This record gives sequence, structure tokens and C-alpha cells, in this order.
Amino acid sequence: TQLLEQSPQFLSIQEGENLTVYCNSSSVFSSLQWYRQEPGEGPVLLVTVVTGGEVKKLKRLTFQFGDARKDSSLHITAAQPGDTGLYLCAGAGNTDKLIFGTGTRLQVFP
Amino acid sequence: DAGVIQSPRHEVTEMGQEVTLRCKPISGHNSLFWYRQTMMRGLELLIYFNNNVPIDDSGMPEDRFSAKMPNASFSTLKIQPSEPRDSAVYFCASSPYRGSFTDTQYFGPGTRLTVL
Repeated sequence: TQLLEQSPQFLSIQEGENLTVYCNSSSVFSSLQWYRQEPGEGPVLLVTVVTGGEVKKLKRLTFQFGDARKDSSLHITAAQPGDTGLYLCAGAGNTDKLIFGTGTRLQVFP
Repeated sequence: DAGVIQSPRHEVTEMGQEVTLRCKPISGHNSLFWYRQTMMRGLELLIYFNNNVPIDDSGMPEDRFSAKMPNASFSTLKIQPSEPRDSAVYFCASSPYRGSFTDTQYFGPGTRLTVL
């Protein structure tokens, strides 16, 4: 069974701080997606990474796919209260189904 | 453009009652997914359809759960009888199938189910 473990599980920071969220597995994934879920809403796709070592930037968010395609990270620079939410990674593995990670719940205080 | 529509948004029922959750996918999307989300277990895939046909229902927890997709614009998830441990947020998602079920999925706002 392919699993995606995210860390940390919870993160509370002040506005302006930087943070990194990790998504790890012992399995190889052909691609990896990151979603953000705001309270009372469904997850919304932020980015998809498909190549080992790939780095994608989305404004203050930087996503990286590990060289071996077993892990990924999300770095947020100068976090803002609007970044608050649940961050989920999701991998495309060997079962043709998306495997969702355990999630990181981020709270950014003004 | 209308996104995925789910109804009701909130449902409170008593143990033993039948519950029906509804979903209207994005027009033109031919894959539809039902998920359940809890704090303990995260986001779990229950079942998914392609062109109205169930592809994989291995995530459906028990025979009390059933899902149908009678046409391309409507799907239901039914729980009969409901139990308190079914309390969760249920999401429907749709995707334009392009050869893989791992393409981007578009989620609805969810139905928060509480079984007393």
C-alpha cells in the first residue's frame, strides 16, 4: 500500500514567517499534486510536479519534487493570514488512483 | 462556470436513518469521485466512476454504503442505515478523464454529515 506522510501535522506561525511542509513516501510516484483546502470548502489544486528534481514557483510558494520522486516539499515565504488552510499532497502511484497525504494544517496569525 | 455542486451542505440525522448525498459534476467531466474526510483518517477515496460506470468501489466501507451514477450529470451516495461513525465530510470531485484517474480533480464544497 502506498502511503504519503506529511509533516508537520499542525503549524501555527506569525504573519511574515517562512515555513516548509514535507510530503514523504517510501514509494515512487509518477507525479505529485499539492492542494489547499480552506475551512468549509473542498481542496483546490495548487500545482502538479512530474519530473524528479522539478521546482515550481507560484508567487510566494515554492514546490519541489524529490530526485527519486518519493518526496516533495512546499515552502511558503513571508506567510500571510490568507495562507491559512489544510495543505494536502497527492501522488499518482501504481494503482491509477490519487493517494492523498495525511495533511498539514497551517494557521497564520496576523 | 459552475463548479461541482453538492447537496445538502449539512445533514443531521439519527442513527438508523437513510441518508442520500447528491452531486452534480462539472459539465463535460466524465470521471466522478466520492471521498470521505475525517480528522482521524484524512481524505479517503470511497468510489469512482468513469462514463457513469463504477470503476473501483474498494474504498466503500460497508454494504451500508452504495453509490449510483444514473447519468453524466448526477450521482448519489447513500448510507442505509446510518451510524454515528459515519459522521464526516463527504466530498464529490470530478475530472476530465484523459487516460488516467490521477489527473486534476475538482472538488465540490462537501456535505457535512452528523449522525446522532
